[in-house]
Amino acid sequence: QTVVTQEPSFSVSPGGTVTLTCGLSSGSVSTSYYPSWYQQTPGQAPRTLIYSTNTRSSGVPDRFSGSILGNKAALTITGAQADDESDYYCVLYMGSGWVFGGGTKLTVL
Amino acid sequence: EVQLVESGGGLVKPGGSLRLSCAASGFTFSSYSMNWVRQAPGKGLEWVSSISSSSSYIYYADSVKGRFTISRDNAKNSLYLQMNSLRAEDTAVYYCARDNIVGAGDFDYWGQGTLVTVSS
Repeated sequence: QTVVTQEPSFSVSPGGTVTLTCGLSSGSVSTSYYPSWYQQTPGQAPRTLIYSTNTRSSGVPDRFSGSILGNKAALTITGAQADDESDYYCVLYMGSGWVFGGGTKLTVL
Repeated sequence: EVQLVESGGGLVKPGGSLRLSCAASGFTFSSYSMNWVRQAPGKGLEWVSSISSSSSYIYYADSVKGRFTISRDNAKNSLYLQMNSLRAEDTAVYYCARDNIVGAGDFDYWGQGTLVTVSS
């Protein structure tokens, strides 16, 4: 069974840049997996940030960007702000459904 | 305004059944694929199932295949999840989510979730 991997936690300084990644336990992530990224704060439903690798969802600031870096999908946040402190999930399309990664808890300090 | 409102959660014993509903409003429900996504307490997100706009295409996560059934009634603007043979590991908040663009990974609207607890 394919597992989608993410860093369990990450920290960034306010104003800094951070790149979160999304990989596969076996193989490489490509655009064919339509990697998407979600942000979730405690007690709230998730919110789409990026879909289909690098398309920003409506209303998402351009300091959030998506890409493929090497064999992984990546979410880059430039100019991190305090309210970016959240859980971030990637999700990949596996042909007959979706698989979420375990999530990355981002701390801004 | 797009709204998705889940209902039907509650406490059920292992081996029991439950039917979740998701009432949609504010958009043309019959034009969109829909999904169920769950989140166990303190854990990450898990995609459960999806159904296309006309119910022609239905997919399930391996963890629920054979036990859960997704369906929809476009006349009633409603999405359903019939859950049978429930296990402790099915305990989670269940969200319904709209698929903005089929296959693109943009679940653009989510409900507030309904909690399912499987315990004796």
